[in-house]
Amino acid sequence: QKEVEKDPGPLSVPEGAIVSLNCTYSNSAFQYFMWYRQYSRKGPELLMYTYSSGNKEDGRFTAQVDKSSKYISLFIRDSQPSDSATYLCAMSGPGNQFYFGTGTSLTVIP
Amino acid sequence: GAVVSQHPSRVICKSGTSVKIECRSLDFQATTMFWYRQFPKQSLMLMATSNEGSKATYEQGVEKDKFLINHASLTLSTLTVTSAHPEDSSFYICSAAGQGYYGYTFGSGTRLTVV
Repeated sequence: QKEVEKDPGPLSVPEGAIVSLNCTYSNSAFQYFMWYRQYSRKGPELLMYTYSSGNKEDGRFTAQVDKSSKYISLFIRDSQPSDSATYLCAMSGPGNQFYFGTGTSLTVIP
Repeated sequence: GAVVSQHPSRVICKSGTSVKIECRSLDFQATTMFWYRQFPKQSLMLMATSNEGSKATYEQGVEKDKFLINHASLTLSTLTVTSAHPEDSSFYICSAAGQGYYGYTFGSGTRLTVV
Protein backbone atom coordinates (compact mmCIF):
# COMPACT_ATOMS: atom_id res chain seq x y z
CA GLN A 1 0.00 0.00 0.00
CA LYS A 2 1.34 3.39 -0.91
CA GLU A 3 2.16 5.63 2.02
CA VAL A 4 0.82 8.71 0.26
CA GLU A 5 -2.02 8.47 -2.17
CA LYS A 6 -1.80 10.03 -5.57
CA ASP A 7 -2.56 13.73 -5.54
CA PRO A 8 -5.42 15.08 -7.64
CA GLY A 9 -4.73 15.87 -11.28
CA PRO A 10 -3.61 19.25 -12.69
CA LEU A 11 -5.59 22.31 -11.64
CA SER A 12 -6.25 25.42 -13.68
CA VAL A 13 -7.90 28.38 -11.94
CA PRO A 14 -8.46 32.06 -12.68
CA GLU A 15 -6.41 34.65 -10.86
CA GLY A 16 -7.89 35.51 -7.47
CA ALA A 17 -9.51 32.11 -6.95
CA ILE A 18 -9.13 30.07 -3.80
CA VAL A 19 -7.14 26.92 -4.46
CA SER A 20 -7.47 23.74 -2.46
CA LEU A 21 -4.83 21.04 -2.69
CA ASN A 22 -4.88 17.85 -0.70
CA CYS A 23 -3.22 14.55 0.05
CA THR A 24 -4.35 11.44 1.82
CA TYR A 25 -2.07 8.99 3.53
CA SER A 26 -2.25 5.63 5.21
CA ASN A 27 0.47 5.62 7.88
CA SER A 28 -0.94 6.78 11.20
CA ALA A 29 2.60 7.22 12.57
CA PHE A 30 3.21 10.31 10.45
CA GLN A 31 3.67 13.37 12.63
CA TYR A 32 5.22 16.02 10.41
CA PHE A 33 3.40 17.28 7.37
CA MET A 34 4.87 19.57 4.79
CA TRP A 35 3.99 21.31 1.58
CA TYR A 36 6.62 22.08 -1.02
CA ARG A 37 6.34 24.23 -4.11
CA GLN A 38 8.36 23.28 -7.16
CA TYR A 39 8.73 25.52 -10.16
CA SER A 40 9.63 23.94 -13.46
CA ARG A 41 13.19 22.61 -13.52
CA LYS A 42 13.89 23.78 -9.99
CA GLY A 43 14.25 22.03 -6.69
CA PRO A 44 11.28 22.01 -4.30
CA GLU A 45 11.08 24.78 -1.73
CA LEU A 46 9.46 24.34 1.63
CA LEU A 47 6.23 26.32 1.92
CA MET A 48 4.84 25.18 5.23
CA TYR A 49 5.23 22.46 7.76
CA THR A 50 2.89 21.37 10.51
CA TYR A 51 3.32 19.08 13.43
CA SER A 52 0.37 16.82 14.20
CA SER A 53 -3.20 18.00 13.60
CA GLY A 54 -4.45 21.52 13.22
CA ASN A 55 -4.20 24.56 11.03
CA LYS A 56 -1.30 26.81 10.21
CA GLU A 57 -1.54 30.06 8.33
CA ASP A 58 1.17 32.03 6.56
CA GLY A 59 0.01 34.93 4.45
CA ARG A 60 -2.19 33.61 1.66
CA PHE A 61 -1.38 30.01 2.52
CA THR A 62 -3.15 27.82 5.05
CA ALA A 63 -2.17 24.24 5.83
CA GLN A 64 -4.61 21.88 7.51
CA VAL A 65 -3.95 18.47 8.95
CA ASP A 66 -6.67 16.04 9.95
CA LYS A 67 -4.94 13.04 11.42
CA SER A 68 -8.19 11.27 12.20
CA SER A 69 -9.03 11.24 8.49
CA LYS A 70 -5.39 10.99 7.39
CA TYR A 71 -5.94 13.98 5.17
CA ILE A 72 -3.93 17.15 4.68
CA SER A 73 -4.77 20.26 2.71
CA LEU A 74 -3.16 23.41 1.46
CA PHE A 75 -5.33 26.42 0.69
CA ILE A 76 -4.13 29.36 -1.36
CA ARG A 77 -6.21 32.51 -1.17
CA ASP A 78 -6.22 35.20 -3.84
CA SER A 79 -4.18 33.00 -6.15
CA GLN A 80 -1.65 34.73 -8.39
CA PRO A 81 -0.05 33.68 -11.67
CA SER A 82 3.22 33.41 -9.73
CA ASP A 83 1.63 30.60 -7.73
CA SER A 84 1.66 28.45 -10.87
CA ALA A 85 3.87 25.52 -9.94
CA THR A 86 3.73 21.93 -8.80
CA TYR A 87 2.81 21.47 -5.16
CA LEU A 88 4.10 18.44 -3.33
CA CYS A 89 2.89 17.19 -0.01
CA ALA A 90 5.35 15.35 2.19
CA MET A 91 5.10 13.63 5.51
CA SER A 92 7.35 12.00 7.97
CA GLY A 93 7.26 10.06 11.17
CA PRO A 94 9.57 8.10 13.43
CA GLY A 95 12.76 7.25 11.61
CA ASN A 96 12.78 10.56 9.78
CA GLN A 97 12.01 9.09 6.39
CA PHE A 98 10.12 11.37 4.08
CA TYR A 99 7.28 10.32 1.85
CA PHE A 100 6.21 12.57 -0.99
CA GLY A 101 2.99 12.75 -2.90
CA THR A 102 3.22 12.80 -6.68
CA GLY A 103 2.44 16.49 -6.82
CA THR A 104 -0.36 18.63 -8.20
CA SER A 105 0.35 20.98 -11.05
CA LEU A 106 -1.37 24.33 -10.57
CA THR A 107 -1.86 26.94 -13.25
CA VAL A 108 -3.27 30.33 -12.30
CA ILE A 109 -4.60 32.10 -15.35
CA PRO A 110 -4.32 35.90 -15.39
CA GLY B 1 19.08 30.74 6.21
CA ALA B 2 19.22 27.06 5.25
CA VAL B 3 20.50 27.40 1.71
CA VAL B 4 21.59 24.41 -0.32
CA SER B 5 23.59 24.93 -3.48
CA GLN B 6 23.65 22.25 -6.16
CA HIS B 7 26.00 22.27 -9.10
CA PRO B 8 25.88 21.94 -12.05
CA SER B 9 22.31 22.87 -12.88
CA ARG B 10 22.50 21.17 -16.23
CA VAL B 11 24.93 18.73 -17.78
CA ILE B 12 25.07 16.81 -21.03
CA CYS B 13 27.47 13.92 -21.24
CA LYS B 14 28.30 11.10 -23.60
CA SER B 15 27.22 7.58 -22.89
CA GLY B 16 29.86 5.72 -20.90
CA THR B 17 31.31 8.73 -19.14
CA SER B 18 30.92 9.70 -15.49
CA VAL B 19 29.32 12.82 -14.09
CA LYS B 20 29.73 14.33 -10.64
CA ILE B 21 27.04 16.44 -9.01
CA GLU B 22 27.82 18.53 -5.94
CA CYS B 23 25.48 19.51 -3.14
CA ARG B 24 26.62 22.08 -0.59
CA SER B 25 24.91 23.46 2.49
CA LEU B 26 25.98 27.09 2.55
CA ASP B 27 24.94 28.35 5.96
CA PHE B 28 24.41 25.30 8.09
CA GLN B 29 26.01 21.97 8.77
CA ALA B 30 24.15 19.17 7.08
CA THR B 31 24.43 16.04 9.12
CA THR B 32 22.28 14.19 6.63
CA MET B 33 21.92 14.66 2.92
CA PHE B 34 19.50 12.97 0.58
CA TRP B 35 19.65 12.36 -3.14
CA TYR B 36 16.49 12.13 -5.20
CA ARG B 37 15.68 11.42 -8.78
CA GLN B 38 12.66 12.91 -10.48
CA PHE B 39 11.17 11.93 -13.81
CA PRO B 40 8.94 14.35 -15.71
CA LYS B 41 5.62 14.94 -14.00
CA GLN B 42 6.46 12.49 -11.28
CA SER B 43 7.32 12.89 -7.67
CA LEU B 44 10.69 12.65 -6.01
CA MET B 45 12.18 9.20 -5.70
CA LEU B 46 14.65 8.83 -2.86
CA MET B 47 17.84 7.21 -4.09
CA ALA B 48 20.04 7.30 -1.02
CA THR B 49 20.65 8.86 2.35
CA SER B 50 24.12 9.89 3.40
CA ASN B 51 25.39 10.84 6.81
CA GLU B 52 28.65 12.73 7.14
CA GLY B 53 31.57 10.37 7.50
CA SER B 54 29.51 7.25 6.88
CA LYS B 55 28.65 5.12 3.90
CA ALA B 56 25.45 6.06 2.16
CA THR B 57 22.31 4.01 2.61
CA TYR B 58 20.78 3.19 -0.73
CA GLU B 59 17.12 2.55 -1.41
CA GLN B 60 16.09 -0.76 -2.82
CA GLY B 61 16.71 -0.98 -6.53
CA VAL B 62 19.34 1.76 -6.65
CA GLU B 63 22.71 0.52 -7.83
CA LYS B 64 25.34 1.68 -5.38
CA ASP B 65 28.16 1.00 -7.81
CA LYS B 66 26.53 3.17 -10.41
CA PHE B 67 25.50 6.04 -8.18
CA LEU B 68 28.45 6.78 -5.94
CA ILE B 69 27.72 9.05 -3.03
CA ASN B 70 30.31 10.73 -0.88
CA HIS B 71 29.57 12.86 2.17
CA ALA B 72 33.05 13.73 3.34
CA SER B 73 32.19 16.91 5.22
CA LEU B 74 29.24 18.51 6.96
CA THR B 75 28.74 20.89 4.05
CA LEU B 76 29.37 18.79 0.96
CA SER B 77 27.92 15.66 -0.57
CA THR B 78 28.58 14.45 -4.09
CA LEU B 79 26.73 12.08 -6.38
CA THR B 80 28.73 10.52 -9.19
CA VAL B 81 26.85 8.78 -11.96
CA THR B 82 29.33 6.29 -13.33
CA SER B 83 29.29 4.91 -16.86
CA ALA B 84 26.19 6.92 -17.62
CA HIS B 85 23.62 5.64 -20.09
CA PRO B 86 20.69 7.42 -21.73
CA GLU B 87 18.28 5.83 -19.25
CA ASP B 88 20.13 7.69 -16.48
CA SER B 89 18.92 10.96 -17.97
CA SER B 90 16.81 12.58 -15.30
CA PHE B 91 16.51 15.43 -12.83
CA TYR B 92 18.62 14.81 -9.75
CA ILE B 93 17.94 16.78 -6.59
CA CYS B 94 19.72 16.81 -3.26
CA SER B 95 18.34 17.91 0.05
CA ALA B 96 19.95 18.50 3.39
CA ALA B 97 18.91 18.41 7.00
CA GLY B 98 20.83 19.99 9.83
CA GLN B 99 20.60 19.54 13.53
CA GLY B 100 17.64 21.28 15.08
CA TYR B 101 16.03 22.07 11.77
CA TYR B 102 13.09 20.16 10.49
CA GLY B 103 11.89 20.58 6.96
CA TYR B 104 14.56 19.64 4.54
CA THR B 105 16.08 22.20 2.21
CA PHE B 106 16.43 21.20 -1.40
CA GLY B 107 19.05 22.12 -3.92
CA SER B 108 17.98 23.58 -7.25
CA GLY B 109 18.46 20.29 -9.05
CA THR B 110 20.65 19.01 -11.87
CA ARG B 111 19.25 18.03 -15.20
CA LEU B 112 21.38 15.25 -16.61
CA THR B 113 21.13 14.32 -20.26
CA VAL B 114 23.14 11.37 -21.50
CA VAL B 115 23.54 11.22 -25.26
